[in-house]
Amino acid sequence: NAGVTQTPKFRILKIGQSMTLQCTQDMNHNYMYWYRQDPGMGLKLIYYSVGAGITDKGEVPNGYNVSRSTTEDFPLRLELAAPSQTSVYFCASTIGTGNGEAFFGQGTRLTVV
Amino acid sequence: AQTVTQSQPEMSVQEAETVTLSCTYDTSENNYYLFWYKQPPSRQMILVIRQEAYKQQNATENRFSVNFQKAAKSFSLKISDSQLGDTAMYFCAFMSPLGGAQKLVFGQGTRLTINP
Repeated sequence: NAGVTQTPKFRILKIGQSMTLQCTQDMNHNYMYWYRQDPGMGLKLIYYSVGAGITDKGEVPNGYNVSRSTTEDFPLRLELAAPSQTSVYFCASTIGTGNGEAFFGQGTRLTVV
Repeated sequence: AQTVTQSQPEMSVQEAETVTLSCTYDTSENNYYLFWYKQPPSRQMILVIRQEAYKQQNATENRFSVNFQKAAKSFSLKISDSQLGDTAMYFCAFMSPLGGAQKLVFGQGTRLTINP
């Protein structure tokens, strides 16, 4: 099982550029999440989805967009990159029932210059 | 909104010693989950241990155990016989099943260094 797979692992963007962080999971989990981790800080929720076609904002959604067209995929879109978006981004999933254990991808380190 | 606080930004102990990491949280809910995640330099988030709030018994996983004090809203992690491989960032996290989204709220983390 691959679990949760994120691509790319590293990326450098110029201010104003756009990009999509890809996330896919092969565990048939209903719930998926995007978190960001700033240096020396804990993870903060950007967006989440409880199923295909359903998305909602988390704690820090400004500057990001998401979509959930399939159960497996949950891409995160940055439209106009800003230095404040320099961070490590994690995608995660949970089955949606039971003990709530979250499975995380390996993270994407994004630098905006 | 729930909050999670880890008051120890950094800790350092000698190999084989026991270390305790602190975590407090704030919630008005009665049923919830608490987690400790480990993040080594590889960045991977690894679940260390889980505690259900309705269970009075403290969770244990080999060398890792928790001290869950529900009334005090405290959830500390004890690592016994610490090993060099325990060096990592440790995050305490809260999850409420209410609303169905199972979102995690993280503390700021504690950087733990195990010295040889």
